[in-house]
Amino acid sequence: GEDVEQSLFLSVREGDSSVINCTYTDSSSTYLYWYKQEPGAGLQLLTYIFSNMDMKQDQRLTVLLNKKDKHLSLRIADTQTGDSAIYFCAETASSNYKLTFGKGTLLTVNP
Amino acid sequence: DSGVTQTPKHLITATGQRVTLRCSPRSGDLSVYWYQQSLDQGLQFLIQYYNGEERAKGNILERFSAQQFPDLHSELNLSSLELGDSALYFCASSVEGVVYNEQFFGPGTRLTVL
Repeated sequence: GEDVEQSLFLSVREGDSSVINCTYTDSSSTYLYWYKQEPGAGLQLLTYIFSNMDMKQDQRLTVLLNKKDKHLSLRIADTQTGDSAIYFCAETASSNYKLTFGKGTLLTVNP
Repeated sequence: DSGVTQTPKHLITATGQRVTLRCSPRSGDLSVYWYQQSLDQGLQFLIQYYNGEERAKGNILERFSAQQFPDLHSELNLSSLELGDSALYFCASSVEGVVYNEQFFGPGTRLTVL
């Protein structure tokens, strides 16, 4: 079955880069996503990557995909206190549209 | 603001009761998804509707049911509630056919079963 794993916690200093890692098991995954959840709020899509891509950059965000190892990472450059939130890795397969989420990584940015 | 609305924001009820959660998708979105977020299970997909028809089913209990109405709003009905049903329930909507299928999430309904 599908499974998405993430480390649960990450703490960084303001201005440093943050790297959040994720592994998935479904080899039919077509799109992989990073969502952000701030306290008391719903989920917001940050970025996504198609499975035939290795890297995607969007301003301070860089997504790296290693399809062979089924490993996805999200790098946030120049991390700010406003980036403190829970970050979810998610995947969807071509056969359906449902999202399978990891348990989320709580990013804490210290001033 | 994602454009997806959910009501109520909070719901407190007792075991054995039945509740209805409501979701209005973004204007123009035909697909509605329901997710449950709990501390032990994380975010779990429950069910998807597309233009009034059930499209996909996930880890939805038989005590739970959903429907999507002609105006595209959706309701999730939870019955014979148990303590373990306490969770945050999210609705999301999307325009199917968009290549990367961005789902827009509502703010959620927090259900507490006492």
